[in-house]
Amino acid sequence: EIVLTQSPGTLSLSPGERATLSCRASQSVSSSSLAWYQQKPGQAPRLLIYSASSRATGIPDRFSGSGSGTDFTLTISRLEPEDFAVYYCQQYGSSPPLTFGGGTKVEIK
Amino acid sequence: EVQLVESGGGLVKPGGSLRLSCAVSGLTFSNAWMSWVRQAPGKGLEWVGRIRSKTGGGTTDSAAPVKGRFTISRDDSKNTLYLQMNSLKTEDTAVYYCTTGIAADGTSYWGQGTLVTVSA
Repeated sequence: EIVLTQSPGTLSLSPGERATLSCRASQSVSSSSLAWYQQKPGQAPRLLIYSASSRATGIPDRFSGSGSGTDFTLTISRLEPEDFAVYYCQQYGSSPPLTFGGGTKVEIK
Repeated sequence: EVQLVESGGGLVKPGGSLRLSCAVSGLTFSNAWMSWVRQAPGKGLEWVGRIRSKTGGGTTDSAAPVKGRFTISRDDSKNTLYLQMNSLKTEDTAVYYCTTGIAADGTSYWGQGTLVTVSA
């Protein structure tokens, strides 16, 4: 099983600042199978990034994903008020289980 | 518009059973690989399992904590996904989401979730 470790657990930033979130895998993940989700309280997760760096439909270009192998990054270039939420990475390759990271909460400083 | 609507959640005693349903509309359900994901109160997301489309073999995969207790099935004639949960434990308490996962074109659809509470 591939274990995904997200850091930091909580990121305290102000609107307009840059957010950098990390997702580290216990073994190599195919770049075509790494995704990032955003979740707000009481809502289902929303896909932001798939295949490590492709933005999902309707996702603003301030969100970008990068990385390969075991190290992946989600960057939010300038935080908007609606971006304060919890973010999860997921590996969704052909071999189960399709694991999620533990999440990073981006909160208002 | 694609819609996934879960139902069947509720309160059940430890050792009991429950069946969740997920009604899907707005996409070709028979072609979709479908998954269940759960989220315990205040915790992160946990993948429960998935079922392939019939053309993909129709087979299922399950996470270790639920293997042998939970069964995923589908009825393509009804555009509905199911999760049969047996021998429920208190640690199965969670909101259960159905999802299409991530398609090759990057689309991903989720239901609103249904709460399952396992408590005496």
